[in-house]
Amino acid sequence: GAVVSQHPSRVICKSGTSVKIECRSLDFQATTMFWYRQFPKKSLMLMATSNEGSKATYEQGVEKDKFLINHASLTLSTLTVTSAHPEDSSFYICSATRPGAGELFFGEGSRLTVL
Amino acid sequence: GDSVTQMEGPVTLSEEAFLTINCTYTATGYPSLFWYVQYPGEGLQLLLKATKADDKGSNKGFEATYRKETTSFHLEKGSVQVSDSAVYFCALSGGNFNKFYFGSGTKLNVKP
Repeated sequence: GAVVSQHPSRVICKSGTSVKIECRSLDFQATTMFWYRQFPKKSLMLMATSNEGSKATYEQGVEKDKFLINHASLTLSTLTVTSAHPEDSSFYICSATRPGAGELFFGEGSRLTVL
Repeated sequence: GDSVTQMEGPVTLSEEAFLTINCTYTATGYPSLFWYVQYPGEGLQLLLKATKADDKGSNKGFEATYRKETTSFHLEKGSVQVSDSAVYFCALSGGNFNKFYFGSGTKLNVKP
């Protein structure tokens, strides 16, 4: 089946620094990828839709200057958390649809801890 | 807009008990419906899906039937195992799968 991979799986950083998370589709071309944030009570919040070659579409309430999304190729999207603060600590999950598959394929998730 | 509502957890069951996790949805048109499962420390993976009314999705002993008349997609399993302990998410997507909406997740704890 289709595989989506995220890296790193865990990252710890100091407050004020920036962190980049990569999401790759390993065996298909993903024109669209989605970034989710998972909160402690388990709910998944869609942050943005990442379209290859164009600007990401952010959901209401998500700061686009803080969460920079780049979808530079058909197999790679990146999420950069800029000037991270402790409240940005969370589990970030990417996903992608493969044309014709009719389902979302998820990465393993990246746990960010900001000290 | 489109949305999914699922029962709050956690749900705690003994091994071999019957499981039901309720899920209802609001959508325009004819969405596809999904159940995703998240095991501890992992990402989400598709458990089952149904793409039209009256379809039944099934996998690993789990089942869910797409009920258009009640706008529901309840997840059931006849006999749960400890290894089924996880968080279960109900989700829907429109016809072109360009957006997915998730419920808040239900944590299932199965005790031996």
